[in-house]
Amino acid sequence: NAGVMQNPRHLVRRRGQEARLRCSPVKGHSHVYWYRQLPEEGLKFMVYLQKENIIDESGMPKERFSAEFPKEGPSILRIQQVVRGDSAAYFCASSPFSQNTGVWSTEAFFGQGTRLTVV
Amino acid sequence: GESVGLHLPTLSVQEGDNSIINCAYSNSASDYFIWYKQESGKGPQFIIDIRSNMDKRQGQRVTVLLNKTVKHLSLQIAATQPGDSAVYFCAENSGGGADGLTFGKGTHLIIQP
Repeated sequence: NAGVMQNPRHLVRRRGQEARLRCSPVKGHSHVYWYRQLPEEGLKFMVYLQKENIIDESGMPKERFSAEFPKEGPSILRIQQVVRGDSAAYFCASSPFSQNTGVWSTEAFFGQGTRLTVV
Repeated sequence: GESVGLHLPTLSVQEGDNSIINCAYSNSASDYFIWYKQESGKGPQFIIDIRSNMDKRQGQRVTVLLNKTVKHLSLQIAATQPGDSAVYFCAENSGGGADGLTFGKGTHLIIQP
């Protein structure tokens, strides 16, 4: 859905560099989710954030990955010291509610993704 | 045509025919399921959802069937059109504090003229 804006759309980084992926949710949405998609695979949940809080990071690698959703500004997914295995499409989704209320159908939307390539 | 989404990644159907895409899920605690459509270079787009207290739900040209006994979900697309060409994913949510959706690997639907 065009309401969730992710940038950049494509990002190339050399091994060892940092990657910063941005997600601006639909206006008024306070819940943000990050997913990673490897080629020919389904999306894998990484982290769920509300404004200034990480609610569930059970899908985040323990090292090098971090996420934030500040009071003002976009949500950021940060990958430090990138390796080739980090190459993937990273999708952000936003919702006005928690997923547990089952409102994904009409109120939650995915962005177009950021395609990270590590060379 | 019929496919098991996790074992047959591609389904080819004639334009105008009905398509059936299948998905097996593993978590018996899952209580909410969604089908997504993903076109090349784009993010997933919601198609239809179903809760575990239902076994069938219909939308515009699409029907989702849920068989909890065998943990099986299917998406039926009536009168398949060229614009239906995409990868289709089933996703499940177990609730109970687990906020992330679990996606299947997807089935690539190819429409032949």
